[in-house]
Amino acid sequence: RKEVEQDPGPFNVPEGATVAFNCTYSNSASQSFFWYRQDCRKEPKLLMSVYSSGNEDGRFTAQLNRASQYISLLIRDSKLSDSATYLCVVMNYGGSQGNLIFGKGTKLSVKP
Amino acid sequence: NAGVTQTPKFQVLKTGQSMTLQCAQDMNHNSMYWYRQDPGMGLRLIYYSASEGTTDKGEVPNGYNVSRLNKREFSLRLESAAPSQTSVYFCASELGTVQETQYFGPGTRLLVL
Repeated sequence: RKEVEQDPGPFNVPEGATVAFNCTYSNSASQSFFWYRQDCRKEPKLLMSVYSSGNEDGRFTAQLNRASQYISLLIRDSKLSDSATYLCVVMNYGGSQGNLIFGKGTKLSVKP
Repeated sequence: NAGVTQTPKFQVLKTGQSMTLQCAQDMNHNSMYWYRQDPGMGLRLIYYSASEGTTDKGEVPNGYNVSRLNKREFSLRLESAAPSQTSVYFCASELGTVQETQYFGPGTRLLVL
C-alpha cells in the first residue's frame, strides 16, 4: 500500500459546484497533515494544514479522521481559479526530523 | 524577500555530464530540502539538511550529492547524469523541523538525453 493515496482525477466541475477530495495514508503514526496546491508547471504551495478538529478557511474545509487514516478537502462555490492539482501531504517523524510524504495529487478543472 | 530561488530554470544534459543545481533562501530558515517530481510519481525527497552543516538522505538519493554551503544555500549535484534523472527538481525550505510550512522554489526542469 502506498503511503499516501489520492484519486488522480481529473475532477471536471462547473463554476459554483462543491467538490470533495479524499486521501488515505498508511502510517498510523503520522502526526501532521496538509493540503498543498500546485498550479500547472509551478511549485507546490501550502493551502491549509489539517487538524483533528477539522478546519475551515473561506470556501475550503479540511477534515482528518485518524481512526480511518483518512483526510478530506471540500471546496464550496468553485471558482475558475481553483483549477489546479491538490496534493495531500503527510508528515512522518523520525527522531527529531519530520519529512513530508506527498500524494500524487488530484487534478481539478473548474469550467465556466 | 525573494523566498526560495533556484537556478537554472531549465537544463539539457547529455548522459554522463555533470551539473549542480543551486538553491538559496532568504527567510533565515534552518531546514532545506531537494525533491524531484515525475509524472505519476508525486514529489519524492532526494536529500535534506536539517541545519547548516548537516545533510541526510531522503527516499531517492542515489546518483546525487548535496552541499549545505551555508544557512542560505543548498546545492544538488549530479556527478554523471542519466536519462532516469530527467525530472523537475524542487528545492524547499522550512523554519524548523516540526510541523512547519515548507516553501518551495520555482523548480528546475532537467532533461538528460
